[in-house]
Amino acid sequence: DGGITQSPKYLFRKEGQNVTLSCEQNLNHDAMYWYRQDPGQGLRLIYYSQIVNDFQKGDIAEGYSVSREKKESFPLTVTSAQKNPTAFYLCASSIEGKRGEQYFGPGTRLTVT
Amino acid sequence: AQSVAQPEDQVNVAEGNPLTVKCTYSVSGNPYLFWYVQYPNRGLQFLLKYITGDNLVKGSYGFEAEFNKSQTSFHLKKPSALVSDSALYFCAVRSNSGNTPLVFGKGTRLSVIA
Repeated sequence: DGGITQSPKYLFRKEGQNVTLSCEQNLNHDAMYWYRQDPGQGLRLIYYSQIVNDFQKGDIAEGYSVSREKKESFPLTVTSAQKNPTAFYLCASSIEGKRGEQYFGPGTRLTVT
Repeated sequence: AQSVAQPEDQVNVAEGNPLTVKCTYSVSGNPYLFWYVQYPNRGLQFLLKYITGDNLVKGSYGFEAEFNKSQTSFHLKKPSALVSDSALYFCAVRSNSGNTPLVFGKGTRLSVIA
């Protein structure tokens, strides 16, 4: 988990509220990613960014938004439009290029009631 | 399109016995293959990767994986399992062509029984 921080570890929100999950890395990595993990479904890609001020939708981007204003930071906003937001969210980063492995943060568990 | 299959949701093995966690993949072009491990309520930790060269790749904690191009497989192995190896294991793939991100399998839960 070293080098990538996610905060908070646990987050509770009421339905209808937007919530922003933090992800910061000090690895000088160009690329950053957000995944959602649900039991039995593995990791599903929400958004990714390969360079500052640019990002692409992943497989399940609906109801989420991101920004990449700084190389070190890639916050994820879970909007009220996301129908089933309760999940474990993982942020990752990697050096640019296809050969590099991704390094993951410790995750944020979001519960919406 | 890229995809990864981990055919076993759960693998049980006795401590000291060899373990295998299976992974097959589908990509256009040549694959870059990765294995990760996840302990409860934690992020994923990188174990090993295959990029090119020797088909047998050695990684962290005594794990290794064998790339088999004809069978499109990349099975994770360890000669002697430890109880502390019990965790969730993910295989991931990306193609060496294009610019697509990693695609992960659904994970295999390994239980090592003392």
